[in-house]
Amino acid sequence: EVQLVESGGGLVQPGGSLRLSCAASGFTVSSNYMNWVRQAPGKGLEWVSVLYSGGITYYADSVKGRFTMSRDNSKNMLYLQMNSLRVEDTAVYYCARDRAAGTRWFDPWGQGTLVTVSS
Amino acid sequence: DIQMTQSPSSVSASVGDRVTITCRASQGVSRWLAWYQQKPGKAPKLLIYAASSLQSGVPSRFSGSGSGTDFTLTISSLQPEDFATYYCQQANSFPLTFGPGTKVDIK
Repeated sequence: EVQLVESGGGLVQPGGSLRLSCAASGFTVSSNYMNWVRQAPGKGLEWVSVLYSGGITYYADSVKGRFTMSRDNSKNMLYLQMNSLRVEDTAVYYCARDRAAGTRWFDPWGQGTLVTVSS
Repeated sequence: DIQMTQSPSSVSASVGDRVTITCRASQGVSRWLAWYQQKPGKAPKLLIYAASSLQSGVPSRFSGSGSGTDFTLTISSLQPEDFATYYCQQANSFPLTFGPGTKVDIK
């Protein structure tokens, strides 16, 4: 079964850092295009970033220079390193796979992990 | 950036009703458009991709149409499990952007 499971969310102070993880099963992360999408409490969906199978990354302007996507091929894991966190980064963060590489629509999604940035 | 709008923002409907949701892009996205369903506390679920292609496992009462800037999601006969929020998403160019959502609730 194809599945994504996020972890690593929690409470962090403004200016702090956090690393989110996404464990994949049923497929190989390194052969796919992987994304992070976030959703602030009670709000809509915001695309955050993508990591191509070839290693290229793209980021939303709101996180560029602060967030970094990476993967560990040996563990079949995806990561999102978040630095210089702001209150407005508070959201549920979902990892999601491109339905097919380069199509830029997402299936499947993980269940999400909540990041709260607050003092 | 391509801005996505949806109308209505919410709709109250009854089981068996036909429901239509509209999505508009600020510039043409060809058929690079997807629709998702999200229920409270759950991850979004892909319903429609490439404007009108039905994702595997999604009931045929869901359909999508449109190209360019104007798109439509139609639920032909609303079922109890369809009460949810629906989002469109453009996949034409980065940054990928979503519409603000349309909440379908019980009348």
